Amino acid sequence: DTGVSQDPRHKITKRGQNVTFRCDPISEHNRLYWYRQTLGQGPEFLTYFQNEAQLEKSRLLSDRFSAERPKGSFSTLEIQRTEQGDSAMYLCASSSPRGGPADTQYFGPGTRLTVL
Amino acid sequence: GIQVEQSPPDLILQEGANSTLRCNFSDSVNNLQWFHQNPWGQLINLFYIPSGTKQNGRLSATTVATERYSLLYISSSQTTDSGVYFCAVGRNTGGFKTIFGAGTRLFVKA
Repeated sequence: DTGVSQDPRHKITKRGQNVTFRCDPISEHNRLYWYRQTLGQGPEFLTYFQNEAQLEKSRLLSDRFSAERPKGSFSTLEIQRTEQGDSAMYLCASSSPRGGPADTQYFGPGTRLTVL
Repeated sequence: GIQVEQSPPDLILQEGANSTLRCNFSDSVNNLQWFHQNPWGQLINLFYIPSGTKQNGRLSATTVATERYSLLYISSSQTTDSGVYFCAVGRNTGGFKTIFGAGTRLFVKA
């Protein structure tokens, strides 16, 4: 068990560019979550996958954001036409079912995005 | 949606002191977690505690689901306890969203 990994750890981009982040969950976990965290705030839920199915998507996730988990393993989060307001830490977490949809979640180190 | 309020927002302790952090939530929940975010940004799960009491070393937590609050106790605080403590809740009905509070920022002085 190597924990949840995220790549890249840091990304600096110019406004208008597209960016893609990757999350590799703990291998036996079938639930995967994406969050966004800005300075001084708690993480905000973006989306949730159970296996390859995207079961929940926050209204915070505009049309410029898309997430996939094609084989039920790793997931990608893409932001198109980035804006300065997208600058944040993007966090991924995974869990395995134990009676509820948001069980013990294990977080990755995050990807810090800076949009210039 | 569910509202999560944490108190106090900031806390400064002398090493060795005890503290209690509180989490209030506005509606019934099926799960509740406490996390510690260290100064490097890594979120560490402390407790999964939708109800009842749990203890892990110097930390313990109690959730009274019927009264919609949870408490995190830190005893004999150490400088390594510094960071931000988050409460996060979710429920099975109406979706799978997890809602975090704004956190309690703890600084433990040596």
